[in-house]
Amino acid sequence: AQKVTQAQTEISVVEKEDVTLDCVYETRDTTYYLFWYKQPPSGELVFLIRRNSFDEQNEISGRYSWNFQKSTSSFNFTITASQVVDSAVYFCALSILTGGGNKLTFGTGTQLKVEL
Amino acid sequence: DAGVTQSPTHLIKTRGQQVTLRCSPKSGHDTVSWYQQALGQGPQFIFQYYEEEERQRGNFPDRFSGHQFPNYSSELNVNALLLGDSALYLCASGQGTGELFFGEGSRLTVL
Repeated sequence: AQKVTQAQTEISVVEKEDVTLDCVYETRDTTYYLFWYKQPPSGELVFLIRRNSFDEQNEISGRYSWNFQKSTSSFNFTITASQVVDSAVYFCALSILTGGGNKLTFGTGTQLKVEL
Repeated sequence: DAGVTQSPTHLIKTRGQQVTLRCSPKSGHDTVSWYQQALGQGPQFIFQYYEEEERQRGNFPDRFSGHQFPNYSSELNVNALLLGDSALYLCASGQGTGELFFGEGSRLTVL
């Protein structure tokens, strides 16, 4: 069975601070994908990134960066110079490809509040 | 290019009733999945449809059923509603094993 743990329930920061959202996952499969989604109050899950289990290179996209470490089964997400518009719930998710398609296992989410 | 669209956005039902939720996938996508998100929780996988067949199913009772039409759109049906079925129901579409794109969801309240 797969499991995703987001231990941080809620994080509050002041605008322009850097913030890191933690994600730890469990799976016995060697081939899997990891995802981060953003959920604003509207409810829609906004796709941020997908990484496969064979690519441990860190990735940077603007103010967003991701640190994937298989040795610790972690896929952490950092927002640099946070902004009020970053306030949302962020979900980490895992999928394996057995069964012929994507089935995402989500963590419980981290509520990020960015204040002025 | 329209993304994933869901209807209705909000609805209220009473216990024992039945509900149908609808989803149109993003253009070019042929796979549709449904997720249930209870308040304060992460989404839980219900099932996935591809080529009009249910391909995978999560840990949900048979009261939850679905359908995929030839145009790839999908319906989620829930029978004999319980109070615990109150949640945001999210539809996601994809192509093969590519990224999943989600709609804004249908918020169901069961009284």
